[in-house]
Amino acid sequence: ETGVTQTPRHLVMGMTNKKSLKCEQHLGHNAMYWYKQSAKKPLELMFVYNFKEQTENNSVPSRFSPECPNSSHLFLHLHTLQPEDSALYLCASSQLYPRGGYEQYFGPGTRLTVT
Amino acid sequence: ELKVEQNPLFLSMQEGKNYTIYCNYSTTSDRLYWYRQDPGKSLESLFVLLSNGAVKQEGRLMASLDTKARLSTLHITAAVHDLSATYFCAVDRRSLDSNYQLIWGAGTKLIIKP
Repeated sequence: ETGVTQTPRHLVMGMTNKKSLKCEQHLGHNAMYWYKQSAKKPLELMFVYNFKEQTENNSVPSRFSPECPNSSHLFLHLHTLQPEDSALYLCASSQLYPRGGYEQYFGPGTRLTVT
Repeated sequence: ELKVEQNPLFLSMQEGKNYTIYCNYSTTSDRLYWYRQDPGKSLESLFVLLSNGAVKQEGRLMASLDTKARLSTLHITAAVHDLSATYFCAVDRRSLDSNYQLIWGAGTKLIIKP
C-alpha cells in the first residue's frame, strides 16, 4: 500500500448504528487530519492529530469521536449520526517538521450515507 | 481570521481557450497550495508555492504567488476536456499551539466543453 488509504470507501448506516472509519498513511508523516466535505460546502476540518496528540477540534459534535493510536493510523468513530452528517469524509496526512512543507496528502475518502 | 476566497466559483469554457482562477487571502501566510478534485474523488496536490514570486508549471497549468498582494493565480492555457475538475486553493495558518492548518477556498468548478 502506498500513500493514504481509507476504509470503507462507502458506508450506509442508520441513525442508531455505531461504525468506524479507518485511515492509514504510509508516508512516514507526523500529522493526520479528518475533513468533512458536503455538497456545495467548503472543505471542513474536523480534527488534527500532531504526533498522535489531538491539537484541534473544530467544534465537532460529540457523535464523532477520533482516535489516533499511532502516527500511521487514524480512526473516526461514529454513533447516533444525523442525516445531515451524510458526506464525503477525507483523511489526510502531512509532515509538519522538521522539514516542513506542510503539503497534505489525501486518502480516497469514505462516502457516508446516514438513513 | 484568515479567509481564503476563490473566484470564479464556477467556470464553463471551450477547449483551446485560456483562463485564470484567482485565490485571495486575508492575512500574511507563508505558503499556498493548489489542489484538484475530480467528481466523487479525493483531492490531488497540484502545486506548492513557497515564496513571493513563485511560479510553477505543469502541462497546461501554471500557478503563481504574490504574497504582497495576497493573491495566487492558476492559469489554464489552451484548455482540454481532461482539465475539467474542481480546483481548490489553500493557505497555511499557524495556530497558537504552533500547529499548522490549511485554510481552504470554496473551490472553482471548471467545466471544459469540446
